[in-house]
Amino acid sequence: QVQLVQSGAEVRKPGASVILSCKASGYTFISYYLHWVRQAPGQGLEWMGMIHPSGGSTTYPQNFQGRVTMTRDTSTNTVYMELSSLGSEDTAVYYCARTPRGNNYGPFDFWGQGTLVTVSS
Amino acid sequence: EIVLTQSPGTLSLSPGERATLSCRASQSVSSTYVAWYQHRPGQAPRLLIYGASSRATGIPDRFSGSGSGTDFTLTISRLEPEDFAVYYCQQYGSSSTFGQGTKVEIK
Repeated sequence: QVQLVQSGAEVRKPGASVILSCKASGYTFISYYLHWVRQAPGQGLEWMGMIHPSGGSTTYPQNFQGRVTMTRDTSTNTVYMELSSLGSEDTAVYYCARTPRGNNYGPFDFWGQGTLVTVSS
Repeated sequence: EIVLTQSPGTLSLSPGERATLSCRASQSVSSTYVAWYQHRPGQAPRLLIYGASSRATGIPDRFSGSGSGTDFTLTISRLEPEDFAVYYCQQYGSSSTFGQGTKVEIK
């Protein structure tokens, strides 16, 4: 069965960076886009970008460009998301999610369990 | 960027009642590229509807989606206790954006 397993909770100080991981299993890793979506406390869902594991191509929305980097390791079926210059507004639960074969921006049919990132001095 | 506005913000209903949730886009979206998700506290979001009206695998038929152009609707025909949650619409035709969510709470 398809599974996306994310790394554990992180605490960072303002200005620092964080790297989260998402390990995929149960399907052909290189054939499906993987995305990152976050939810800040009391807020809605926010799309952070996507990566195609086959060639590593990425697409980021304008509000995250320059601050987010997504990479992948095809030997371990894992994608990574690095977010830099953290501020308190980056405190959120971060999810990875997959789109079905042949789709790019959505829909998201499988999700990771979420990773809480807390930014605090 | 396509902005999605969901209404109402909160819907207070009793089990067994019908829920109608609205999602309005700032510009026309192909119905092929509209999805709805259910999000319960402490869980990952769950895909309910894609392509505006197609139910995802394992989703009960009390959930239905409709709409076109700029106006889309998620209907829950008879609320079950497990349906009280937050619901988000998403467009994925031009990049990806979510609405701000509608909370369905027990009256």
